Amino acid sequence: AQKVTQAQTEISVVEKEDVTLDCVYETRDTTYYLFWYKQPPSGELVFLIRRNSFDEQNEISGRYSWNFQKSTSSFNFTITASQVVDSAVYFCALSGNNDYKLSFGAGTTVTVRA
Amino acid sequence: NAGVTQTPKFQVLKTGQSMTLQCAQDMNHEYMSWYRQDPGMGLRLIHYSVGAGITDQGEVPNGYNVSRSTTEDFPLRLLSAAPSQTSVYFCASSYTQLEGMSYEQYFGPGTRLTVT
Repeated sequence: AQKVTQAQTEISVVEKEDVTLDCVYETRDTTYYLFWYKQPPSGELVFLIRRNSFDEQNEISGRYSWNFQKSTSSFNFTITASQVVDSAVYFCALSGNNDYKLSFGAGTTVTVRA
Repeated sequence: NAGVTQTPKFQVLKTGQSMTLQCAQDMNHEYMSWYRQDPGMGLRLIHYSVGAGITDQGEVPNGYNVSRSTTEDFPLRLLSAAPSQTSVYFCASSYTQLEGMSYEQYFGPGTRLTVT
C-alpha cells in the first residue's frame, strides 16, 4: 500500500521568508513517481512537479526547489523568498509502477503574510 | 483545448436523491479518475478508468457508479445521496503510463456538493 504523510498542517510566514514543506512516503514498489500539486484559494489543482524514483537529482524552478532523498523516503519542497501569491494548499502525491492511482497526503496550508 | 471540464460547479441535494456529475476532457487522455476532497484528508480516489469500457474501483467507491462509453467522458453517479457524500469532487485525466514514465494528472475545476 502507498502512503504519503505531510506532517505540517499549516505554515504561516512573512513575505520574503523561505518555507519548506515536508513530504514522507511509503511504498513497496522499487519504481514509483512523486508529485507536488498546488491548490490556491480559487480551488483548482495545479501540477508543479513529477519525479521518478530513479532520479534523485534535486530540481529548481524559479523560486521553487525540491529535495528528493530515497534514503529517508522524503520529497521536500522549498519556496524561496515567499510571496503572497504562494498562499495555497500544497499536496504531495505518490503513484506506483504500472499504477495510475495517486495517493495524496493531507496537504499543507501555506499562508504568506505581507 | 478546454482541458478537463466539470459540471455543475455547485449542487445541493437532499438525502436519497440521485444525480450525475459530468466530466469531459479534450486531450485524448486514456486515463480518467474521480477524487473527493474532504478537510484534512487530501484527495481520495473514488473510481478510475484506463480507457473506454474499462473502469475500476478506487479507495472509496461505495455509493458511486461510473461508466466510460467514450474516451472523452467519465460521469460519476451518486445513487442515493447521503450527508457523508458532502464533499468537493474532482475529475482528472492523463496519458496512460509508458515504461519508465508516469504522466501527471490534469484536474478539472471541481464540483462542490452538499447533501442535506
